[in-house]
Amino acid sequence: KAGVTQTPRYLIKTRGQQVTLSCSPISGHRSVSWYQQTPGQGLQFLFEYFSETQRNKGNFPGRFSGRQFSNSRSEMNVSTLELGDSALYLCASSFGGQPTYEQYFGPGTRLTVT
Amino acid sequence: EDQVTQSPEALRLQEGESSSLNCSYTVSGLRGLFWYRQDPGKGPEFLFTLYSAGEEKEKERLKATLTKKESFLHITAPKPEDSATYLCAVQDGNNRLAFGKGNQVVVIP
Repeated sequence: KAGVTQTPRYLIKTRGQQVTLSCSPISGHRSVSWYQQTPGQGLQFLFEYFSETQRNKGNFPGRFSGRQFSNSRSEMNVSTLELGDSALYLCASSFGGQPTYEQYFGPGTRLTVT
Repeated sequence: EDQVTQSPEALRLQEGESSSLNCSYTVSGLRGLFWYRQDPGKGPEFLFTLYSAGEEKEKERLKATLTKKESFLHITAPKPEDSATYLCAVQDGNNRLAFGKGNQVVVIP
């Protein structure tokens, strides 16, 4: 069974640009969550999507947004990039239904903002 | 605001030397406490979910326990392949997830 995949794996962007990251969940999983991981702040919850609807949201500014498609694939967008957005962005999937974090993570996208 | 504190930050163990990792938390309406393992350059791997005080879960050399204020991850007779960062997270009443900074464990052969 294929795991969670994320593309691209590495990305370099300039301040002020925007970026879109993609996540394909495990087949049959309907919930996708996104996280930001930095050495200073650790892992922080961005948001969770289930059946194309944002079900939960963390404490991040509106520059961070996401969506989920009918096939459960999800994208995350960051607009007007700042240097502090440099991080590993992880997505995770689970079956869904009741919100739970028994989830499977992808390898992450390493974003560097210069 | 939910808070999760893990201690110690880093731990070096001799192979076979058992130890425990601590995760203390403050959360509004705990719905679940989760343990993950993360290897360098990889995403976290789910280990356990605990829902209520007194609950225990085991997997190979790992055992997780939960009280009303903290959780412990006990590593019994560790092997070098148990070297990793162990992450604790809590799900609050609004279904948001808050992580601790992790316990970095190195097991020396």
